[in-house]
Amino acid sequence: QSALTQPASVSGSPGQSITISCTGTNSDVGGYNYVSWYQHHPGKAPKLMIYEVTNRPSGVSNRFSGSKSGNTASLTISGLQAEDEADYYCSSYTSSPIGVFGGGTKLTVL
Amino acid sequence: QITLKESGPTQVKPTQTLTLTCSFSGFSLSTSGVGVGWIRQPPGKALEWLAVIYWHDDKRYRPSLKSRLTITKDTSKNQVVLTMTNMDPVDTATYYCAHMILTGYCFDYWGQGTLVTVSS
Repeated sequence: QSALTQPASVSGSPGQSITISCTGTNSDVGGYNYVSWYQHHPGKAPKLMIYEVTNRPSGVSNRFSGSKSGNTASLTISGLQAEDEADYYCSSYTSSPIGVFGGGTKLTVL
Repeated sequence: QITLKESGPTQVKPTQTLTLTCSFSGFSLSTSGVGVGWIRQPPGKALEWLAVIYWHDDKRYRPSLKSRLTITKDTSKNQVVLTMTNMDPVDTATYYCAHMILTGYCFDYWGQGTLVTVSS
């Protein structure tokens, strides 16, 4: 069970948009619409930002959006703000007994 | 309001068994479609799914750790317990428990996590 592939880091200036990719296989990301995204500020509990590829939980800013094409899912953050600086993880349902996370992406707001 | 909190030892010795308890409130683990999972994060590394237990007592484990993990629930106490045998320094990590919704296959509420160090 290999981790999903994410870029190690991305950066952007306040107000800009960034996209974080999450690449898997047709046994996980490509095979099911159960991709979720988590924001993790070190030392705090991870926070669910997106579930079922595109859905935002109540209370999550509409600046966060998700999509998927083939075996790659993406998280887009528009109108970057300083408080968006965090680690982001994707996760997917898999054909194996348990889900899988991506390797994580560190977002830096310049 | 759903809350979860992990408890257990902060340090264990190699070869010992780790027992972690997740105490939760705001939901029942007898409700259809609900689960509680354990996730860990080694220092400087990514999150890892470890185990999940569902309302109907179905249990799923990370394949590479299946022989070492046991997850159980006590619905009356609102607790989920994870045991991991034969601990090794590579198991040093922050361990989180989280509320899972099966329909979305995601963790929508997380505990704050507990750091477990494996050292002699």
